[in-house]
Amino acid sequence: NAGVTQTPKFRVLKTGQSMTLLCAQDMNHEYMYWYRQDPGMGLRLIHYSVGEGTTAKGEVPDGYNVSRLKKQNFLLGLESAAPSQTSVYFCASREPGQTRQPQHFGDGTRLSIL
Amino acid sequence: DAKTTQPNSMESNEEEPVHLPCNHSTISGTDYIHWYRQLPSQGPEYVIHGLTSNVNNRMASLAIAEDRKSSTLILHRATLRDAAVYYCILRDYSGNTPLVFGKGTRLSVIA
Repeated sequence: NAGVTQTPKFRVLKTGQSMTLLCAQDMNHEYMYWYRQDPGMGLRLIHYSVGEGTTAKGEVPDGYNVSRLKKQNFLLGLESAAPSQTSVYFCASREPGQTRQPQHFGDGTRLSIL
Repeated sequence: DAKTTQPNSMESNEEEPVHLPCNHSTISGTDYIHWYRQLPSQGPEYVIHGLTSNVNNRMASLAIAEDRKSSTLILHRATLRDAAVYYCILRDYSGNTPLVFGKGTRLSVIA
């Protein structure tokens, strides 16, 4: 079972470059999320989506954009990468509804910006 | 979501039980207590959740205080594979808000 798949797994960028991180889930989940995790810290929510064509800001949205054109995919874009965006990025998905529905996470994308 | 407080780190011997505490003194009546863990170089994974009664599943047990201001995640026999960061998270019964992660407790398991 694939679950939540993140592409790429590693990437090194130069300051000012742009890139897109792809998250794909095969569980037909409505809700999808992008988090970032800095060393020694918990995960912080960047953006999330409650359905195809919808997006919303999380705790740390500045410098990022997202799109949910297809239900199974959630894209995270960095238009002009900055060293402060060096982090591990995690995508997650879940079914809507009651709290018992867990969030399923990918294994992360490790992004370094020089 | 209400805030939780966990110890930064804990240590356990292999094959012994582990009790991971979590304080949530401002919990509301509609908040569920969720636990996730994050193994090294992996994304978080769901462990267990509960509201008032103690809960058991194949991974762990969750003991909830009668006043619900604290809870304890219990691993009955720690293995080396249980070494991870454990997050205690409160979530509204509707479940429609994203999970909010603190720093969690880093559990080390000694062989």
